[in-house]
Amino acid sequence: DAMVIQNPRYQVTQFGKPVTLSCSQTLNHNVMYWYQQKSSQAPKLLFHYYDKDFNNEADTPDNFQSRRPNTSFCFLDIRSPGLGDAAMYLCATSFSFLASGANYQETQYFGPGTRLLVL
Amino acid sequence: RKEVEQDPGPFNVPEGATVAFNCTYSNSASQSFFWYRQDCRKEPKLLMSVYSSGNEDGRFTAQLNRASQYISLLIRDSKLSDSATYLCVVNSYSNDYKLSFGAGTTVTVRA
Repeated sequence: DAMVIQNPRYQVTQFGKPVTLSCSQTLNHNVMYWYQQKSSQAPKLLFHYYDKDFNNEADTPDNFQSRRPNTSFCFLDIRSPGLGDAAMYLCATSFSFLASGANYQETQYFGPGTRLLVL
Repeated sequence: RKEVEQDPGPFNVPEGATVAFNCTYSNSASQSFFWYRQDCRKEPKLLMSVYSSGNEDGRFTAQLNRASQYISLLIRDSKLSDSATYLCVVNSYSNDYKLSFGAGTTVTVRA
């Protein structure tokens, strides 16, 4: 059974037309992540939520926003997609906990990704 | 300098061969290490965690060298189904919950 689900699997949008990608999880993990991956490159972390706390990466463009209305769902909003935003967008989840003053993170589980094409 | 660096390959090997490759990491405080496998146009999937003493999972063996800050993956008796990109992933126990990914090493196993 799928544990991290992403919709849609493929998204075609026009230059400048807002688009929303969704991610849901059945693992009850407290951390959710959005990555952007372009061909032959490492996944690039855009932002993550630790519970409801939003953490933006310093180099994530303002064009990218995220919402996490509850534990199970997280959305990626691209306000004005450009040609350079065409990529695979991966959602991931993990369980993280504090122990002895340090944060420990268990395995990250990835969704199947949404492949975005910008025309 | 990138946090995690890998030889992109590709490593082209015949079925049944052994293939091995390394990954180096820059943060000496890194605590957790993983190999993920990513098939073409699919999501990364955890292949194995890498423990300090080294560990084996079937035909796959992972080693960690903290002194030189690298981890390795060895695949024995390669199968056609082993063809994929292998991502080296590193986590440091700090005040964040983030992983650092390498760009991947591509392995192609030919019949």
